[in-house]
Amino acid sequence: EVHLVESGGGLEQPGGSLRLSCVVSEFTFRGYVMNWVRQAPGKGLEWVACINGDGTSTNYADSVEGRFTISRDNSRNTLYLQLNRLRDEDSATYYCAKGPFFGGATYFDLWGQGALVTVSS
Amino acid sequence: EIVLTQSPATLSLSPGERATLSCRASQSVTFYLAWYQQRPGQAPRLLIFDTSNRATGIPDRFSGSGSGTDFTLTISSLEPEDFAVYYCQQRYTWPLTFGGGTKVEIK
Repeated sequence: EVHLVESGGGLEQPGGSLRLSCVVSEFTFRGYVMNWVRQAPGKGLEWVACINGDGTSTNYADSVEGRFTISRDNSRNTLYLQLNRLRDEDSATYYCAKGPFFGGATYFDLWGQGALVTVSS
Repeated sequence: EIVLTQSPATLSLSPGERATLSCRASQSVTFYLAWYQQRPGQAPRLLIFDTSNRATGIPDRFSGSGSGTDFTLTISSLEPEDFAVYYCQQRYTWPLTFGGGTKVEIK
């Protein structure tokens, strides 16, 4: 069975940094585009960032461009999201989500269970 | 940015009834529209991709239709486990966007 397991969430002050990880098992990680999608408490879903299968192409939502960085280590089957210059409005559950293609705009066919990030002073 | 508007915000129905959920795009997304189900406390789950294709393991009571700017998710006969929030999402262009969701609740 395929698993996506996020970690690294927690409480951070405005202006601080966090790094989220998503470890993937049971599929050929390097062959697939990966994304981060977030959900503020009681709110809807917001796509955050995308990276293609070999890590050479990335895309970001305007709300995080220049502050967040998506990356991947295919040797470790791990996806990352570096969150810098955090704001209150970044508080959310962050899901890693797999697409069924190598790259490009995608839908999300597998999701992790989520990592909660809380930004507060 | 393509804005997806879902209606109604809440749908109150009884088990066994038919549910019809709408998703309207601010510009054409051709057929690049997906639907997700999210139960309380759980991650979203893919139901339908590219307008009308059921994801693996999704029962055939779920169906999708539409094209361009107007899309519909239909649940032919609601089961107890279908009461949840449903989101549409487009992959026609960046940024990828979601609708605001429709909550299907028990009447």
